[in-house]
Amino acid sequence: GAVVSQHPSWVICKSGTSVKIECRSLDFQATTMFWYRQFPKQSLMLMATSNEGSKATYEQGVEKDKFLINHASLTLSTLTVTSAHPEDSSFYICSARGPEGLNTEAFFGQGTRLTVV
Amino acid sequence: RKEVEQDPGPFNVPEGATVAFNCTYSNSASQSFFWYRQDCRKEPKLLMSVYSSGNEDGRFTAQLNRASQYISLLIRDSKLSDSATYLCVVNMKGGSYIPTFGRGTSLIVHP
Repeated sequence: GAVVSQHPSWVICKSGTSVKIECRSLDFQATTMFWYRQFPKQSLMLMATSNEGSKATYEQGVEKDKFLINHASLTLSTLTVTSAHPEDSSFYICSARGPEGLNTEAFFGQGTRLTVV
Repeated sequence: RKEVEQDPGPFNVPEGATVAFNCTYSNSASQSFFWYRQDCRKEPKLLMSVYSSGNEDGRFTAQLNRASQYISLLIRDSKLSDSATYLCVVNMKGGSYIPTFGRGTSLIVHP
């Protein structure tokens, strides 16, 4: 399958600071990327959908000013958690899908485990 | 009603057993269906796509019932290494066919 690289794999930060997570598609052009959050023993919850060159579409209840998403190129999307608080601690996962068809499978990055202290 | 529903389990089975998981989805216009596997604290990995005619990959068989809006995954001859959470994923019809996840079904295979 296609390769999606997510970095960092884990991060610990102080409350009030910002954290940037990168998601790269290494061997294909990702026209659409998705950002999910997963709390322990729960399913992946979609936070936002981003298409290259346009603004992200956020799911209801997700603050767009807090979770900044940039999808400036076909191989890179970033999620910045601004002014992080302990309740933002979670497993963040990106996935990417190529241009072959909207209705194909998505490939996942390795995930970023964020701990805010 | 959740868009994609799965029994969270856990399913606790001995090695060699056959186990089946079901998943129901709410959007009848959904087009694509997948089973992913997620190991503890790792990202989901695609196990197999689910086709209308049903498909098999080794010990794994996936089936789709559009009329009843459910998909299934059958695992034969379970191995210890099959222990994981199995996620049902449906590309929900919308602008971007968003991959929508069930909460996952936990499988524990014991000796």
